[in-house]
Amino acid sequence: DQQVKQNSPSLSVQEGRISILNCDYTNSMFDYFLWYKKYPAEGPTFLISISSIKDKNEDGRFTVFLNKSAKHLSLHIVPSQPGDSAVYFCAASNNDMRFGAGTRLTVKP
Amino acid sequence: DAGVIQSPRHEVTEMGQEVTLRCKPISGHNSLFWYRQTMMRGLELLIYFNNNVPIDDSGMPEDRFSAKMPNASFSTLKIQPSEPRDSAVYFCASRLLRDSPLHFGNGTRLTVT
Repeated sequence: DQQVKQNSPSLSVQEGRISILNCDYTNSMFDYFLWYKKYPAEGPTFLISISSIKDKNEDGRFTVFLNKSAKHLSLHIVPSQPGDSAVYFCAASNNDMRFGAGTRLTVKP
Repeated sequence: DAGVIQSPRHEVTEMGQEVTLRCKPISGHNSLFWYRQTMMRGLELLIYFNNNVPIDDSGMPEDRFSAKMPNASFSTLKIQPSEPRDSAVYFCASRLLRDSPLHFGNGTRLTVT
């Protein structure tokens, strides 16, 4: 059962522009949401999180938005840099932690 | 801190053989998770432990899979007998608190021929 869905397998953006990655979830019991970044041959690394009591959390170039009514979250990267090229996973938690299938972001110089 | 340590990094085995994957969580973390990554299903939760106790193993695909956590610093995931469809990257992760991020190891790439 795919409780967390990332419907875009890939995204390509130009350096300096905004990258927007999207994620949908089905379980209304999730109360903690996260984004991870993954490079080849490495484990996912934590990027940013948001509690269900908030609708926005910002950390430098990264901002996560949460829309509970739509069961949707997004990650904004501004400005995008070539080093941001990686696979991004969204995750949702309520005791356990479920992940989406990932979106491969390519930032072109 | 050394982070989450998984071994081996790569495992190649023949169908029917027993495979054991190992994980050392970050010291002080009280929850440990096992995931499997495939192209089709992404990061799939297999099982997780709180304070060394298995909480939810509903993601374990078949009885051929088993996981143990004999103490706070060690966990194993065993596949017996292994099959080619088990080929994937297996990740272990740990966290300090319920609402804190998971820290992942670098994974074990399993190939069953």
